[in-house]
Amino acid sequence: GESVGLHLPTLSVQEGDNSIINCAYSNSASDYFIWYKQESGKGPQFIIDIRSNMDKRQGQRVTVLLNKTVKHLSLQIAATQPGDSAVYFCAENPPFSNTGKLIFGQGTTLQVKP
Amino acid sequence: EPEVTQTPSHQVTQMGQEVILRCVPISNHLYFYWYRQILGQKVEFLVSFYNNEISEKSEIFDDQFSVERPDGSNFTLKIRSTKLEDSAMYFCASINTVNTEAFFGQGTRLTVV
Repeated sequence: GESVGLHLPTLSVQEGDNSIINCAYSNSASDYFIWYKQESGKGPQFIIDIRSNMDKRQGQRVTVLLNKTVKHLSLQIAATQPGDSAVYFCAENPPFSNTGKLIFGQGTTLQVKP
Repeated sequence: EPEVTQTPSHQVTQMGQEVILRCVPISNHLYFYWYRQILGQKVEFLVSFYNNEISEKSEIFDDQFSVERPDGSNFTLKIRSTKLEDSAMYFCASINTVNTEAFFGQGTRLTVV
């Protein structure tokens, strides 16, 4: 069935360290993936996206890696800052749906220790 | 920067009452969505809307729910007879084309008592 999941519910890192947040997805035919950041009481905020024809995409301090062989998605945050503390969701646009809907994973809470 | 706006930010209603949640998507976007997030859980898809009609809906979106785009800017979600389990954050989102970044509003916290 449709499901996108995350391996760890909470990740605690020291300020300045790199963070890696993981996500497993189930639909091997999904062709579009997004990472969102959600701060308390706010809506999901776009971080970075990647299409299935790519393995890696970089943004400002963030990198998304896509491993289609094992259906795994990861978000790397370089030099993690206190402002990065939030819940991070991966989401996919499932196959056979041309409506643009997103299926979200459970979310990982990132805690940055000063 | 363009943004999706939602009103109200918080709505408290009695069980059985009707509520209307309002959204103003980004002006040049063509696809509109409602999502729901129960406290502490993941974001769940409710419904997508394109070309003035529902294009897809989830199992959650039963006969108690309806959506409307009454004019060129607003997009509303109506819950006809609210239940306690409808208490959640409701997010509106919009995109310009499929498989592009979805912009989310700040949400409406619905509390059914």
